[in-house]
Amino acid sequence: DADVTQTPRNRITKTGKRIMLECSQTKGHDRMYWYRQDPGLGLRLIYYSFDVKDINKGEISDGYSVSRQAQAKFSLSLESAIPNQTALYFCATSDLEVAGVLDTDTQYFGPGTRLTVL
Amino acid sequence: AQKVTQAQTEISVVEKEDVTLDCVYETRDTTYYLFWYKQPPSGELVFLIRRNSFDEQNEISGRYSWNFQKSTSSFNFTITASQVVDSAVYFCALSEAGGNTGKLIFGQGTTLQVKP
Repeated sequence: DADVTQTPRNRITKTGKRIMLECSQTKGHDRMYWYRQDPGLGLRLIYYSFDVKDINKGEISDGYSVSRQAQAKFSLSLESAIPNQTALYFCATSDLEVAGVLDTDTQYFGPGTRLTVL
Repeated sequence: AQKVTQAQTEISVVEKEDVTLDCVYETRDTTYYLFWYKQPPSGELVFLIRRNSFDEQNEISGRYSWNFQKSTSSFNFTITASQVVDSAVYFCALSEAGGNTGKLIFGQGTTLQVKP
């Protein structure tokens, strides 16, 4: 079984609808992230969470909200979907690797959710 | 501000050719990490490598090699004797180290097509 799963994998919705994308992980990581990928723009960070009680905005959080229901679950919601939110959405997880000034983490990504807003 | 630039949007080679994917980064931090990810046609993102800013040794893993040069702020990726299975989008990414680690800044990606 995959370590990071995303549901649904594909979704077509209409403008104005509320939609939720879900992410689950079995890696035991504390940190979780949501990104969107657009052609020619790479991946951009929407929200991230370093533990269950921690939620932070990323580069492009407008129009999105998140919920960290448990260590293993991190959901992304579009309250009122619009066509320019059509994109490929990725969830990622990581754990802090403590090394003093070189503290870091490596993010592992889910398979992605392709969202189309008509 | 941090920034990653992959100037090559698309590269097409014939199988067995060597190919280098360029990555140039900008950061004011002295401690940082650089990453490469592969996105095959199936869509998932696969982690390939991570390097910290103090380690400029080149890395080789099979047909893959990475050249990190702080003097030119570059972290280039070379595939030797390319194969059709190497066809994918490749992303370079940058992250701060230390207390602000966790946020990846991605380049735009380079689409590599390897033709038989």
